Amino acid sequence: EAQVTQNPRYLITVTGKKLTVTCSQNMNHEYMSWYRQDPGLGLRQIYYSMNVEVTDKGDVPEGYKVSRKEKRNFPLILESPSPNQTSLYFCASSWAGSYEQYFGPGTRLTVT
Amino acid sequence: KNQVEQSPQSLIILEGKNCTLQCNYTVSPFSNLRWYKQDTGRGPVSLTIMTFSENTKSNGRYTATLDADTKQSSLHITASQLSDSASYICVVPSYGGSQGNLIFGKGTKLSVKP
Repeated sequence: EAQVTQNPRYLITVTGKKLTVTCSQNMNHEYMSWYRQDPGLGLRQIYYSMNVEVTDKGDVPEGYKVSRKEKRNFPLILESPSPNQTSLYFCASSWAGSYEQYFGPGTRLTVT
Repeated sequence: KNQVEQSPQSLIILEGKNCTLQCNYTVSPFSNLRWYKQDTGRGPVSLTIMTFSENTKSNGRYTATLDADTKQSSLHITASQLSDSASYICVVPSYGGSQGNLIFGKGTKLSVKP
């Protein structure tokens, strides 16, 4: 089944403890992206990647890192999480030049 | 500043009724606009994507319209069902291409009541 998977789905952590949220897609998509969704603010793009080893900042990249070493994986790294990074995170992917993105199921992160 | 504004913020309708959701954008250059449906706590799912040259596109009971001159789009839902209860999000790429930096509207939360 074609899909985007994220792990973990739920995570509660403490301030400053490094964490990684994984994202994997099995559709051979070139484009991948990370978003966060907060009440009243909608979805905001954190980082995106047009292909392997090609990444760029979205609207809200501060406090996040990404890497794209393989086409199928696009992990989101929080080196020193803070409470303001408590949010619902979505990974998405699509073919290069496609107008349609496929979203993962989301990761709900709580930083205390 | 590139923006995507949606209205209303929320909407309650009775099952079987029609409704129309609005999206206004100031993104330039413009190449396409997308509507997504997002069930609570789940990832958005694409409903329809409209390019610059398209005026109307239907997907079952969903019909999207685009007026590139006035920079407005609408999503019309016909004969609503309880399963239509969700948030509907309008999205426009900010660099005129299909990908890159995307500008999301805040969404319209639709509740369909029996």
